[in-house]
Amino acid sequence: DQQVKQNSPSLSVQEGRISILNCDYTNSMFDYFLWYKKYPAEGPTFLISISSIKDKNEDGRFTVFLNKSAKHLSLHIVPSQPGDSAVYFCAASAGDMRFGAGTRLTVKP
Amino acid sequence: DVKVTQSSRYLVKRTGEKVFLECVQDMDHENMFWYRQDPGLGLRLIYFSYDVKMKEKGDIPEGYSVSREKKERFSLILESASTNQTSMYLCASSLIREKLFFGSGTQLSVL
Repeated sequence: DQQVKQNSPSLSVQEGRISILNCDYTNSMFDYFLWYKKYPAEGPTFLISISSIKDKNEDGRFTVFLNKSAKHLSLHIVPSQPGDSAVYFCAASAGDMRFGAGTRLTVKP
Repeated sequence: DVKVTQSSRYLVKRTGEKVFLECVQDMDHENMFWYRQDPGLGLRLIYFSYDVKMKEKGDIPEGYSVSREKKERFSLILESASTNQTSMYLCASSLIREKLFFGSGTQLSVL
């Protein structure tokens, strides 16, 4: 039973536009949420995180939004760049980390 | 520069073999983890360790065991490899529980 779900396996956007990646979770005990980015032949790397006491965290072009009542978080990338093309994993933690299935983002020039 | 090193990038084994996947980190992290990555399933936690000689089961520990004799090394053991253990295996370490540093992964094929 997956506690963290990314329902879109892939997303394609044009360079310069906004990319929105979504994630839903079921465990109300999760209190910390993260996004990881993975390029082929490499391990995932940490991108951005948010604590459950916040509803938004911004780092440059990347913003994560958390809606606790809906158990939903999203990652916004503005503007999207071709180098952002990768698989993005949503993760949630209540001590131990649980990951979603990933969304493959393709940013077209 | 932080580093998590997995001993093999690709590994091919036969059904029934005992398989060792080694992971070493040079960041003096207390916490270490083993995940497997499968298409459509994402990363699933197999085992983790918060201290030397300590181990805890994750979501899918069946068919696996681990060893952590030294702080920097966390080994995953497949006692008798089976074809359904063909997967990408990812080791990670962390100082803060949530922020993980991953190795490049070991693609294991069990024939």
